[in-house]
Amino acid sequence: EAGVVQSPRYKIIEKKQPVAFWCNPISGHNTLYWYLQNLGQGPELLIRYENEEAVDDSQLPKDRFSAERLKGVDSTLKIQPAELGDSAVYLCASSSGQGRQETQYFGPGTRLLVL
Amino acid sequence: DQQVKQNSPSLSVQEGRISILNCDYTNSMFDYFLWYKKYPAEGPTFLISISSIKDKNEDGRFTVFLNKSAKHLSLHIVPSQPGDSAVYFCAASAPNTGKLIFGQGTTLQVKP
Repeated sequence: EAGVVQSPRYKIIEKKQPVAFWCNPISGHNTLYWYLQNLGQGPELLIRYENEEAVDDSQLPKDRFSAERLKGVDSTLKIQPAELGDSAVYLCASSSGQGRQETQYFGPGTRLLVL
Repeated sequence: DQQVKQNSPSLSVQEGRISILNCDYTNSMFDYFLWYKKYPAEGPTFLISISSIKDKNEDGRFTVFLNKSAKHLSLHIVPSQPGDSAVYFCAASAPNTGKLIFGQGTTLQVKP
């Protein structure tokens, strides 16, 4: 069974440019998460989707970040405009959405460098 | 305020010996704990988990211990192998939120 798929794996852009990341979760997983991981830190949740509904976006900087999961399957995270401090790894994870104590499975991440 | 802490940034162990990675948490509402392993340029890989109703869970060479009164959990790897060299993250989940709070990670090096 395929794991969580993310693309691109790497992205280099200049500041003030837009950027988008794509994630396809494990088949059948209803819950999808976007995390941000800075160097030397653990992942931090940006947004959580239950099917197509964003149920927790309290940590998403909404002035420049947006996300969507229109059909409840794959998802896109966008930054516009990007800032130097956005350089980090953006991780997508998914879980089955079947119970209270669920394991989240992560994709390989997109490494963003803003110059 | 760091709710999940891994106070040891790094650990070096000889192959065949035991590796013990530690994690402390502050929120008594956390009811599910997980350990992830991360290799460079890859995403975190799920390793083992434990529910707050248990104090031990074992899977092959990996055992996680939970001490709720001390708000402490540990991951034991026995015997350690060079392929275990990676960054290990502990994470905690609060009920009904689905949100994982991660520690800062501990880099384990297993020397041949």
